[in-house]
Amino acid sequence: GENVEQHPSTLSVQEGDSAVIKCTYSDSASNYFPWYKQELGKRPQLIIDIRSNVGEKKDQRIAVTLNKTAKHFSLHITETQPEDSAVYFCAATVANFGNEKLTFGTGTRLTIIP
Amino acid sequence: GAVVSQHPSRVICKSGTSVKIECRSLDFQATTMFWYRQFPKQSLMLMATSNEGSKATYEQGVEKDKFLINHASLTLSTLTVTSAHPEDSSFYICSARAEYSLSYEQYFGPGTRLTVT
Repeated sequence: GENVEQHPSTLSVQEGDSAVIKCTYSDSASNYFPWYKQELGKRPQLIIDIRSNVGEKKDQRIAVTLNKTAKHFSLHITETQPEDSAVYFCAATVANFGNEKLTFGTGTRLTIIP
Repeated sequence: GAVVSQHPSRVICKSGTSVKIECRSLDFQATTMFWYRQFPKQSLMLMATSNEGSKATYEQGVEKDKFLINHASLTLSTLTVTSAHPEDSSFYICSARAEYSLSYEQYFGPGTRLTVT
């Protein structure tokens, strides 16, 4: 089955600086890679996702890049703000509008230092 | 946007009793729902895939007789933790993808915190 590794486990960034979180996956058939933000005791919230036919996607301060050959994808947050502090999870799945079972990374606790 | 609810949000039960958790898609239909368990400061681990009108598919290592799943309709899936023990204390979260959606996005419920005493 799929295995997703995520690094780093914790990340502290000065407010206004950029943060980068990296994930690798094992199943070359995986074609959908979402990123979730989870605040303490809350549900995971999708912040951005990317499909395997695209190498990069951007939404305001958030971007995701995908390297299918190397089987890794990264989350980039620019101009970080205190409200960006949370735990971020990457995930991967073979999506075909059927039973898309998400395999999650281990999470990154991001702390933005004011 | 698509909304998934869970009930209850928190539950405390005594060891040996059973607890039922409901997951509802409020504004969309879902043939498939997923149940996850999340221990403190850990990732989400998929427990099972709930299929409307058929048996759930359990992940390796998850006891199907302990975690009973029923997907009675296109908007409701239930997870029953039977003979609960303290080690079952965890955050249980469901998710669903909107039927006929062109998006692969899964929507998560707010989670249920189970504490077994």
